[in-house]
Amino acid sequence: AQRVTQPEKLLSVFKGAPVELKCNYSYSGSPELFWYVQYSRQRLQLLLRHISRESIKGFTADLNKGETSFHLKKPFAQEEDSAMYYCALGITGGGNKLTFGTGTQLKVEL
Amino acid sequence: GAGVSQSPSNKVTEKGKDVELRCDPISGHTALYWYRQSLGQGLEFLIYFQGNSAPDKSGLPSDRFSAERTGGSVSTLTIQRTQQEDSAVYLCASSLSTGQGREAFFGQGTRLTVV
Repeated sequence: AQRVTQPEKLLSVFKGAPVELKCNYSYSGSPELFWYVQYSRQRLQLLLRHISRESIKGFTADLNKGETSFHLKKPFAQEEDSAMYYCALGITGGGNKLTFGTGTQLKVEL
Repeated sequence: GAGVSQSPSNKVTEKGKDVELRCDPISGHTALYWYRQSLGQGLEFLIYFQGNSAPDKSGLPSDRFSAERTGGSVSTLTIQRTQQEDSAVYLCASSLSTGQGREAFFGQGTRLTVV
């Protein structure tokens, strides 16, 4: 069965420091990976998806199939990046279900 | 509507009572999910509907929890004989079921408090 692991429940960094939120997945097929973000008092929303190879709000994530990872990175953290981040895995076939990790709370301190 | 709508926004109920939470997905979305988010915790998968297929109920924590989706659209999550540990934010999401890069759209959630 597919699984998403986010090993850090809480990550605290200083403003201007690099950020890396870890995500590892387990799936035997061809995965689709996503990062979702939930800011305080807002609904959960998509941040980026691996197939788009885009940078959103300075964040990037590269799919590494060899390491089965999809870590989220940003070179310089900003205070407004403080939020809850979820990694999600989409499978092909089998109902196309999205599986979410348990999330990492990012806190950017001044 | 333009997005996923959940009602009520907040629900306070007495222990032992039944509650129903409603989700209106985005029109045309055949996939629908229910998740639970407890205070300070991450997302806990509850149930997944995909078109006319049998739902994936593997995340329901007990037989007090059930959900249905009528006409492939609106979904209701029912919790019978509520317990204090059921207090959480219940999130609904919908998505297209096919195609690469499909995105799940979330509702604002229903905050359930069992007293």
